Amino acid sequence: QVQLQETGPGLVRPSQTLSLTCTVSGASFTSSGFYWSWIRQHPGQGLEWIGFIDHSGSTHYSSSLQSRLSISIDTSKNQFSLRLNSVTAADTAVYYCARVATGGLWGLKSFYFYGMDVWGQGTTVTVSS
Amino acid sequence: EIVLTQSPGTLSLSPGERATLSCRASQTVSSSYLAWYQQKPGQAPRLLIYGASNRATGIPDRFSGSGSGTDFTLTISRLEPEDFAVYYCQQCGSSPPEFTFGPGTKVDIK
Repeated sequence: QVQLQETGPGLVRPSQTLSLTCTVSGASFTSSGFYWSWIRQHPGQGLEWIGFIDHSGSTHYSSSLQSRLSISIDTSKNQFSLRLNSVTAADTAVYYCARVATGGLWGLKSFYFYGMDVWGQGTTVTVSS
Repeated sequence: EIVLTQSPGTLSLSPGERATLSCRASQTVSSSYLAWYQQKPGQAPRLLIYGASNRATGIPDRFSGSGSGTDFTLTISRLEPEDFAVYYCQQCGSSPPEFTFGPGTKVDIK
């Protein structure tokens, strides 16, 4: 059974860097067709996609966050991580990691999106001095 | 960037009733790229439907998805007490690779 678990500080000071790690168990990063994503949810709001990474380290980021964002992967530890620089109160949210299941090659006609099929429980991050 | 709009914002129904939730895209979305999620308070979202109409593993058959182009629908045939939650549609963009969520529809008890 695949499980994801987010860890990281619950409180970050404004202008500092938010760092979170997602540990994956029960699945291999090297399996094809899977990508590893971060999503956040502001208090009382909807879901916002942040970015994702594949097993080779190739990343894609939300255009609204890409200037401050870095996602990395450590296949030896079965972990992927998020770093968000220069945080403000607007970055206060519950942060989720999730597995993205796909088929075929992205951008080709054969590509298929099977959904974000496994999620972590989420971790609350508050940006405050 | 494709924008997803969901309606209604809130749907007040009784257990046993049928729920029909709408998701409209600002541009054509391939059915292969459309998913639905359920989220209960304090929990992570759960995948319900992928490919617009395919139930994810373990999802009861009272949940069904349909639609194509810019209009998609999630139907819950008979609401069970555990179905009262917020439902989000999501599309997967192909170029560039990206994801967009709708704002959600809350299904609450009438």
